[in-house]
Amino acid sequence: EPEVTQTPSHQVTQMGQEVILRCVPISNHLYFYWYRQILGQKVEFLVSFYNNEISEKSEIFDDRFSVERPDGSNFTLKIRSTKLEDSAMYFCASRMTGLQETQYFGPGTRLLVL
Amino acid sequence: AQKITQTQPGMFVQEKEAVTLDCTYDTSDQSYGLFWYKQPSSGEMIFLIYQGSYDEQNATEGRYSLNFQKARKSANLVISASQLGDSAMYFCAMREGSWGGGADGLTFGKGTHLIIQP
Repeated sequence: EPEVTQTPSHQVTQMGQEVILRCVPISNHLYFYWYRQILGQKVEFLVSFYNNEISEKSEIFDDRFSVERPDGSNFTLKIRSTKLEDSAMYFCASRMTGLQETQYFGPGTRLLVL
Repeated sequence: AQKITQTQPGMFVQEKEAVTLDCTYDTSDQSYGLFWYKQPSSGEMIFLIYQGSYDEQNATEGRYSLNFQKARKSANLVISASQLGDSAMYFCAMREGSWGGGADGLTFGKGTHLIIQP
């Protein structure tokens, strides 16, 4: 069964550094998302992406964050100048077009900023 | 105000019993979607079930069913014949407004930690 994949599974970085989190959405899906989950808290929406542009972003998604679909398969989240409070699990999700609403999540990348 | 409210932080249930996880939502939109996801201790988010606001029938997926009461703005998840493997965090989520254009980020509740006891 097709699934969303994410790399790396864990990432440790120093405060102030840049990180890139990678996702490969399900191949025939056209809508892509990033969410984050701070340890022990609820999942929070960051950004949605469709047709090579951002459709919607939350207040969390400040100008340190950016997303890109560099080729036909990858979808990346870049965080510049990382802060301690960026430490969280980051989930990528994707959805097919049309009436299929369900967003399928990847396994997540655990980011730790020291 | 919370968009999604899950009032049960934790639940203990005996194996093979049915369990109901509560979820109430708050929206002024006519078109919206409601989802339940399971998060085991390994951390991944597993889609369980979806209910659209215009769906007249309650959604069912195997042992999962969604008790959708639109007037009460509730979307409770019912798990029949619970199994030890059902032990996990369960999150209710909502998509508001028109989803055709991709502006459909989900809003999640705080979750319910379900523990199935043998």
